[in-house]
Order: sequence, then C-alpha cells, then structure tokens
Amino acid sequence: DTGVSQNPRHKITKRGQNVTFRCDPISEHNRLYWYRQTLGQGPEFLTYFQNEAQLEKSRLLSDRFSAERPKGSFSTLEIQRTEQGDSAMYLCASSERQGGDTEAFFGQGTRLTVV
Amino acid sequence: DQQVKQNSPSLSVQEGRISILNCDYTNSMFDYFLWYKKYPAEGPTFLISISSIKDKNEDGRFTVFLNKSAKHLSLHIVPSQPGDSAVYFCAAIPQGGSEKLVFGKGTKLTVNP
Repeated sequence: DTGVSQNPRHKITKRGQNVTFRCDPISEHNRLYWYRQTLGQGPEFLTYFQNEAQLEKSRLLSDRFSAERPKGSFSTLEIQRTEQGDSAMYLCASSERQGGDTEAFFGQGTRLTVV
Repeated sequence: DQQVKQNSPSLSVQEGRISILNCDYTNSMFDYFLWYKKYPAEGPTFLISISSIKDKNEDGRFTVFLNKSAKHLSLHIVPSQPGDSAVYFCAAIPQGGSEKLVFGKGTKLTVNP
C-alpha cells in the first residue's frame, strides 16, 4: 500500500461545469476526510466518513458539493456548477485510531482551477 | 474565528541551529495536537503528535511541547537541516466525534545552508 492516492492531480474546468475527484485511502483505514486548502490558509475540513457512512459535513460544503464512499473504500467528491471561488487544493486524508494515538495521512491533493 | 493560530508566517534559521515553531489555540476542548510539514504541490506529511495528557513528545530531531495552561504548543527541530525547509502546520483535534483536524495557517520555515 503506497498511501492515500488522489486523482486527478490537476483539473482545469470552465465555470459552470461539473467535476469529480477520487480518493483511495489506505486500505485498512475506516475513517476518510476531505479538506480544502486555499492560498495562505491551512486545510479546512469539508466532510468525514466512517466506513460508508457520511457522519459530518462542514457548512463550507454547499449544496453544490456531494461526497460518497460506496462500500467504505474509495471516495468521490463532486462539485456541480463550479464557480471561480471553488478554485483550491482538495485534500483527502484517512486515519485509524490505534490506542490513544491517531494520525491522519494525506494524499497529494487535487488542484482545481476554475476559469 | 481562528481556533488554531500560528502567528509567525515565516521563520528563517541557519543550518545546524534550532528551529522553534509556535502555535496557540483557543478551544480548551482540543485533546490531541499534531504537526504537519508541507512541500509545494504536495499533501501535508505527518511529523509528530501529542496528547493533551502529556507535555512533551520527542521523535528524533523533532520535539513537541504542550503548555495546556497557556494553550500553547511548540515544535522544536534540532539540528535544523536545509531539507526541513517547508510550510509547517499545527493542527488540533476536538474531543469526541469525527477527529477532524483544525489547522492553523502555517509557518514557512527556511533553513539556510
């Protein structure tokens, strides 16, 4: 297992188009997260899955955003009717708590540019 | 409302010296803290973490100190190496629930040869 994998690495799209990103977490991790990072900011939480259940969504996740994790394995994040303000790095992370410790491992991200 | 604050946007140190990166938080419900390192165009890489029941955790050249009364933590890197040059993010996990990370804005560390 080579870690968390995200595809595509880069996506340029025209305003109004729909885009979908994929995340393959570390296989034994049951927790999966999506974050968004804009220039000069730290990553901001978008949503969280435990196995296939989406258990938490940030208010940053407008109704144009939808995320799924069918079968509790890979996850997709779809943005409908993209806007220029959606331009950001979208990061996926997975984790598994072991005893009292937890670590979230991040993928390399998908850089979205809306033109 | 920034719950995790990294007030120094940048830090420059000489190779071989100590780098100290600081982080303050406002939410007393955070019970776990982590430091991540990020290179451009890559995702954050986990460095070191500390539980709120501890005040120090050490891993090789990296040591994290937690002062709960001051709601302050710091990352010490000694000796600093040019390869340590990156953006460092402090993150915190609130008690219970999803264990989502709340990040600071990051500090860009430059280690000069």
